[in-house]
Amino acid sequence: DAGVIQSPRHEVTEMGQEVTLRCKPISGHNSLFWYRQTMMRGLELLIYFNNNVPIDDSGMPEDRFSAKMPNASFSTLKIQPSEPRDSAVYFCASSWTSGRASNEQFFGPGTRLTVL
Amino acid sequence: SQQGEEDPQALSIQEGENATMNCSYKTSINNLQWYRQNSGRGLVHLILIRSNEREKHSGRLRVTLDTSKKSSSLLITASRAADTASYFCATVGILTGGGNKLTFGTGTQLKVEL
Repeated sequence: DAGVIQSPRHEVTEMGQEVTLRCKPISGHNSLFWYRQTMMRGLELLIYFNNNVPIDDSGMPEDRFSAKMPNASFSTLKIQPSEPRDSAVYFCASSWTSGRASNEQFFGPGTRLTVL
Repeated sequence: SQQGEEDPQALSIQEGENATMNCSYKTSINNLQWYRQNSGRGLVHLILIRSNEREKHSGRLRVTLDTSKKSSSLLITASRAADTASYFCATVGILTGGGNKLTFGTGTQLKVEL
């Protein structure tokens, strides 16, 4: 298995532009998570999906951020319009959740976003 | 907001020494997990300890959990230069609505010198 795949690995854009980050979870996993990591705020959970349904989006900073999971093998995180303070590394992670069991999460390599 | 707080924030030791990192959290948990992150890379799961367990071992790793004190420790024995990384604890709260939401601590930066 290739693990969690994220694209692009690096993104440099100008303020006001739309940014779309992509994630392919590990096949068979039913939970998907989007995180943001910065020096100031550490690692923050933005949103997570279970069986393609958003369960908790309380970490999404504002309406400029949106996430979708149209099927079990693909998710996107979109920022529109982007701002310099959105600069961070964005991680996608997936896991298998069964009933009330919580298991390890597998992280992708991250997308380093720089908004100028 | 960060649930866990790791202590120390940074740790520098010599190869062969043991490294101990501590984590404190605030609310009741289902389990606690430790992750490792090499510079510029994603996080890698190390070990999971459930709320009804007190100690767990995996290779050179030993994790303890004290739910009465809401704290956990990660011990790496006989450290190697390759252990240099940031280490995070992550708690899983009592589940509602499905899924396994992890809340990460602030991390400990470990440097193992030759």
